[in-house]
Amino acid sequence: KAGVTQTPRYLIKTRGQQVTLSCSPISGHRSVSWYQQTPGQGLQFLFEYFSETQRNKGNFPGRFSGRQFSNSRSEMNVSTLELGDSALYLCASRRESSGNTIYFGEGSWLTVV
Amino acid sequence: GQQLNQSPQSMFIQEGEDVSMNCTSSSIFNTWLWYKQDPGEGPVLLIALYKAGELTSNGRLTAQFGITRKDSFLNISASIPSDVGIYFCAGLLRGIQGAQKLVFGQGTRLTINP
Repeated sequence: KAGVTQTPRYLIKTRGQQVTLSCSPISGHRSVSWYQQTPGQGLQFLFEYFSETQRNKGNFPGRFSGRQFSNSRSEMNVSTLELGDSALYLCASRRESSGNTIYFGEGSWLTVV
Repeated sequence: GQQLNQSPQSMFIQEGEDVSMNCTSSSIFNTWLWYKQDPGEGPVLLIALYKAGELTSNGRLTAQFGITRKDSFLNISASIPSDVGIYFCAGLLRGIQGAQKLVFGQGTRLTINP
C-alpha cells in the first residue's frame, strides 16, 4: 500500500515567486492536512482539507493557500515567497473514522533565495 | 503557536541503554501520537494512544497516555544505532465537523554512542 506521496521533494525559488506543492494521500484517505517544519518554529499546522473543502486553518498569512481535488489529492500554494518561507512542507493523510491515525509524507524541501 | 512541552530536548546515550522521554500540556488531548523523524524525511508514526491510561507497546517501544490526558511518555528499551533520530510527540485536537489538527512537541534528538 503506497504511503503519502509528495512532489517535488526539493525545490529552490526566488523571493517574490510563487510555488505549488502536491500531495497524494494514502488510498482511501480523504482527509489531507499540511504542516510547515522549520528549525525555529518546529512543526506547525497549516490547513486541513476534506471533501474538497478547507475544514481547518492554522495561523499563517493569506499567502498560504491550498485546495483538494475530487480524488483527494491536494495542492498547497505559497505566493510572494519570502526568505522565511524556507522550510520542509509536510503533507499528512488520514481515514475518516474514529481512532484514526495520521500518516506523513516525506515532505517537500523549499529553499527561498 | 500552541506546542507541547517535550523533554529532554536531546539525549546522548550508549548503545543498549534504555531511553525515556515525555510530553506535557496544559490542554487535554483525546489522542496522543509519537513519531520518529530521520534527517531529510517525514515523521514516521511509531505509536498511537487513544484512551487515558492506555499503555501500548510496539517492539522495544512503549508509550502511555497519561490519566489526566495532558501528558504522555515514550520509552525505548535496549537502544540500537537505528534508533538515532528526532522523536516527536503530538496531541490531536478535534474541532467542529470532524476537523482535526496535530499539535507537536519540540522534539527529542537521540544520539547513540556505539
